[in-house]
Amino acid sequence: GENVEQHPSTLSVQEGDSAVIKCTYSDSASNYFPWYKQELGKRPQLIIDIRSNVGEKKDQRIAVTLNKTAKHFSLHITETQPEDSAVYFCAAYLPGGGNKLTFGTGTQLKVEL
Amino acid sequence: NAGVMQNPRHLVRRRGQEARLRCSPMKGHSHVYWYRQLPEEGLKFMVYLQKENIIDESGMPKERFSAEFPKEGPSILRIQQVVRGDSAAYFCASSPRLANTDTQYFGPGTRLTVL
Repeated sequence: GENVEQHPSTLSVQEGDSAVIKCTYSDSASNYFPWYKQELGKRPQLIIDIRSNVGEKKDQRIAVTLNKTAKHFSLHITETQPEDSAVYFCAAYLPGGGNKLTFGTGTQLKVEL
Repeated sequence: NAGVMQNPRHLVRRRGQEARLRCSPMKGHSHVYWYRQLPEEGLKFMVYLQKENIIDESGMPKERFSAEFPKEGPSILRIQQVVRGDSAAYFCASSPRLANTDTQYFGPGTRLTVL
């Protein structure tokens, strides 16, 4: 069935290092891929998204890359800071799944001082 | 421009009672989605609604759960005869139109606790 797989489930980095989270999706017709950050007890907040007509998008320390051939996309956070610590969810619109977002299982990122 | 609103933020119910969760989408948004998040788990899609229409309820349990989005007023997720397993955070999200590239914006969630 349609799904989105996300790895790793937990990620610990030192402050200042980079963090990379990867997701794969099953439906080649998917064309929209948002990333959400969720702090403990808070709502998921959109941090960046990419549409299938581009391969990379950057917003300050955050970037997302998309490889449509391989059906995977990645979130890159550079110069990590303690406030980046949160759970990050990738998602994809899977047309075969009824035009709704399907979320990955989340990555708990911890940035250590 | 107010974001997605949900109320109540916290709801405590005893087993067998009914829970009603409300969601007001962002201004100009006509599509509402409900998700359930169990502790330390991901977001699971439940239902997708437009005004007066249920578009996709494939993620919603067949019994005890229902959702509506009337012409006037908020969207409501109703859980009848709640059980302890219903304890979770319920988030709604909204988007402006039907398209598979529209961003969804989430509300603050309702945390349901069933005693």
